[in-house]
Amino acid sequence: QKEVEQNSGPLSVPEGAIASLNCTYSDRGSQSFFWYRQYSGKSPELIMSIYSNGDKEDGRFTAQLNKASQYVSLLIRDSQPSDSATYLCAVYSSGNTPLVFGKGTRLSVIA
Amino acid sequence: GAVVSQHPSRVICKSGTSVKIECRSLDFQATTMFWYRQFPKQSLMLMATSNEGSKATYEQGVEKDKFLINHASLTLSTLTVTSAHPEDSSFYICSARDQRNSSPLHFGNGTRLTVT
Repeated sequence: QKEVEQNSGPLSVPEGAIASLNCTYSDRGSQSFFWYRQYSGKSPELIMSIYSNGDKEDGRFTAQLNKASQYVSLLIRDSQPSDSATYLCAVYSSGNTPLVFGKGTRLSVIA
Repeated sequence: GAVVSQHPSRVICKSGTSVKIECRSLDFQATTMFWYRQFPKQSLMLMATSNEGSKATYEQGVEKDKFLINHASLTLSTLTVTSAHPEDSSFYICSARDQRNSSPLHFGNGTRLTVT
């Protein structure tokens, strides 16, 4: 069974710090990796996609992928209180299969 | 960017009635759409995979006769909650992927269903 594991948190960081969110996955055949942000009572919003090993930066967000270790991470620089949300790691394998989601990590940025 | 429209955003219905939720991909075609349910403070749970022109695939434990899915076109999937009960009250979210299979899922804004 394909699994995606995340620490549920809460992860608390002070405003302006770097928040580091981690995710591991079980399916070595996974091709695509995504980070979604979900505010309470809202649907998930895509914030990062990464498809190859290494780092991918977009503004304050950096996604890191290590397929050998089956590990994906998301770094949020200069964390803001508005970043407080649940962050979902999602992994895609192939075809018309659904994404496999982790249970999410709750991030709290303290002003 | 890709947009998925879901309607209604909020619905309150009485026990025993049926509720239909629509999910549309606005600027791309989606042969497959996915329906999720999320209870308060819990994670997303995949209910079913909606396939255009064929039967939906339901996850274990999801009653196909209670949650009717119709995917009649490449841009529209509907979920009907039949004979709703209070325990069906939840946040229902649809999602779709562009025909390029490796692209991410895009989510609708969700439907908050309350059954009284």
